[in-house]
Amino acid sequence: NAGVTQTPKFQVLKTGQSMTLQCAQDMNHNSMYWYRQDPGMGLRLIYYSASEGTTDKGEVPNGYNVSRLNKREFSLRLESAAPSQTSVYFCASTSLRGETRAFFGQGTRLTVV
Amino acid sequence: GQQVMQIPQYQHVQEGEDFTTYCNSSTTLSNIQWYKQRPGGHPVFLIQLVKSGEVKKQKRLTFQFGEAKKNSSLHITATQTTDVGTYFCAVLRIMDSNYQLIWGAGTKLIIKP
Repeated sequence: NAGVTQTPKFQVLKTGQSMTLQCAQDMNHNSMYWYRQDPGMGLRLIYYSASEGTTDKGEVPNGYNVSRLNKREFSLRLESAAPSQTSVYFCASTSLRGETRAFFGQGTRLTVV
Repeated sequence: GQQVMQIPQYQHVQEGEDFTTYCNSSTTLSNIQWYKQRPGGHPVFLIQLVKSGEVKKQKRLTFQFGEAKKNSSLHITATQTTDVGTYFCAVLRIMDSNYQLIWGAGTKLIIKP
């Protein structure tokens, strides 16, 4: 099982450039999340999607947009990258049944110069 | 909103010493989850606790949920180099069918050379 797949693994952007981080899960989970993790820090929720067709802002949504393309895919877009967005980005998904553990992707290490 | 306070932020131990991290909440929790993130890796689910006073063990790891369901701890006996990483607690919050995980800030386990 692939679980949660994130692409790309690494990216360097210039200030003002745009990019989309892709995330897909093959576990038929309803809920998907995007987090950022800064060095030595915990996880901060950017956006989440409780189900296909819905998205909601998390703790730090400014500068980001998301799309829940279908049940499997949840993408994160940076329209105009800023150095403050240098971080590690994690996508995660959870089931709504049973043990609602979160499954994480491998992370995207983004540097904005 | 609901917050989970996790302490300490760092713990330096000699290999073979014990390690403990604590999570505390001002409100009663329905459940608590624990995750481990290895350096450069992504958070990986360890366990979920749901019952008052629950104690679960995984080899050298002991997880406890307080009687009042407002605090939890993770204790590692006789740490090994493979234990190095950051340990997070997380609480599942359900609001209007939306599932969110509220994360502690994490405790980083560092083994002294």
